[in-house]
Amino acid sequence: EDQVTQSPEALRLQEGESSSLNCSYTVSGLRGLFWYRQDPGKGPEFLFTLYSAGEEKEKERLKATLTKKESFLHITAPKPEDSATYLCAARSGNTGKLIFGQGTTLQVKP
Amino acid sequence: SAVISQKPSRDICQRGTSLTIQCQVDSQVTMMFWYRQQPGQSLTLIATANQGSEATYESGFVIDKFPISRPNLTFSTLTVSNMSPEDSSIYLCSVVTTRTEAFFGQGTRLTVV
Repeated sequence: EDQVTQSPEALRLQEGESSSLNCSYTVSGLRGLFWYRQDPGKGPEFLFTLYSAGEEKEKERLKATLTKKESFLHITAPKPEDSATYLCAARSGNTGKLIFGQGTTLQVKP
Repeated sequence: SAVISQKPSRDICQRGTSLTIQCQVDSQVTMMFWYRQQPGQSLTLIATANQGSEATYESGFVIDKFPISRPNLTFSTLTVSNMSPEDSSIYLCSVVTTRTEAFFGQGTRLTVV
């Protein structure tokens, strides 16, 4: 069964304290691993898509990496405005559907 | 990227009534989906909106409760029928572009009283 698991559920950081969010997946024929940011009351905002193991993408303080079993979202020197819920989703090669993890809620304190 | 306009952004509805949510995309997309996000939860796929044919529903969702239309490649509607308080959620439209990237609308926050 296709499954995506994110950890931790919640993460509190001090401003400037770097950390990583984990996304483990079991998906048949992965056709993309997606990262989104979601602010309260808003729709998910697209961040990255990764397609193959070893691929990395960066955007400002965020860097996403992908292996055959998991993806990491590294946050370097975070700021309070990085506080949000980060969602990971894997696209199944069999169905084409996005399978979402439960999300990691990040709080960055000044 | 794709720009998605979803309307209404929020609504408060009486139980037993129906609400139709619209999703308009600024470019032709290969696939359109409807999701539900209950409070504090992640996203659950309701159905795939198929252009010119009946939508494909996920387990636990039925056409009578969530009728969907997709008359062309850039527009779709989701109706939440005979609403109850349990239908209070955020409903999200999502599209997949020709580059296989997936984008979301801003969502419709529905409260049923």
